[in-house]
Amino acid sequence: AQSVTQPDIHITVSEGASLELRCNYSYGATPYLFWYVQSPGQGLQLLLKYFSGDTLVQGIKGFEAEFKRSQSSFNLRKPSVHWSDAAEYFCAVGSSGTYKYIFGTGTRLKVLA
Amino acid sequence: DAGVIQSPRHEVTEMGQEVTLRCKPISGHDYLFWYRQTMMRGLELLIYFNNNVPIDDSGMPEDRFSAKMPNASFSTLKIQPSEPRDSAVYFCASRSGANVLTFGAGSRLTVL
Repeated sequence: AQSVTQPDIHITVSEGASLELRCNYSYGATPYLFWYVQSPGQGLQLLLKYFSGDTLVQGIKGFEAEFKRSQSSFNLRKPSVHWSDAAEYFCAVGSSGTYKYIFGTGTRLKVLA
Repeated sequence: DAGVIQSPRHEVTEMGQEVTLRCKPISGHDYLFWYRQTMMRGLELLIYFNNNVPIDDSGMPEDRFSAKMPNASFSTLKIQPSEPRDSAVYFCASRSGANVLTFGAGSRLTVL
């Protein structure tokens, strides 16, 4: 079955610390992978995407993610977190053969001053 | 581009009333999606359209829910009659040829 798992429901980090949010997927076809961020009361904003090619992708706001096919993972990283990064983060998977993108349940990030 | 525009942003209604949520996708995007977000179930795809035609409505929870897209720049999601368990944030998203979904700000529905 196709699925996306974000194992961490909540993560708390101190401002300036590094961040890694985990995402694992189960998908039959070659996946398209996405990370979205949702601030309170807002819609989802695309941070970055992976379709093919270089497995390390750069996104907006200093985020990056690495696609590891052998581990079925697409973890999101940031070297130094800012207070404004506090939000909920969603991993999603899709493919060229379908328009039904599957979203994970989200990871809520709290940033301590 | 103003992005995906949804209205109303907030709706409070009483059980049994009809609710209509509206969406204007990004011009040129040929796919439109309606999602529902709740704490319990996360983000669920309700229905999506391609070139104004409904392609997959398997996520629509009940016959009380209906969606239309009369033209490329407008879509509605209607709930009639509404129930308290329909309370959620409803998102509209449109998709470009680059396979990226762009979401609206959402419509928060509360059914009393």
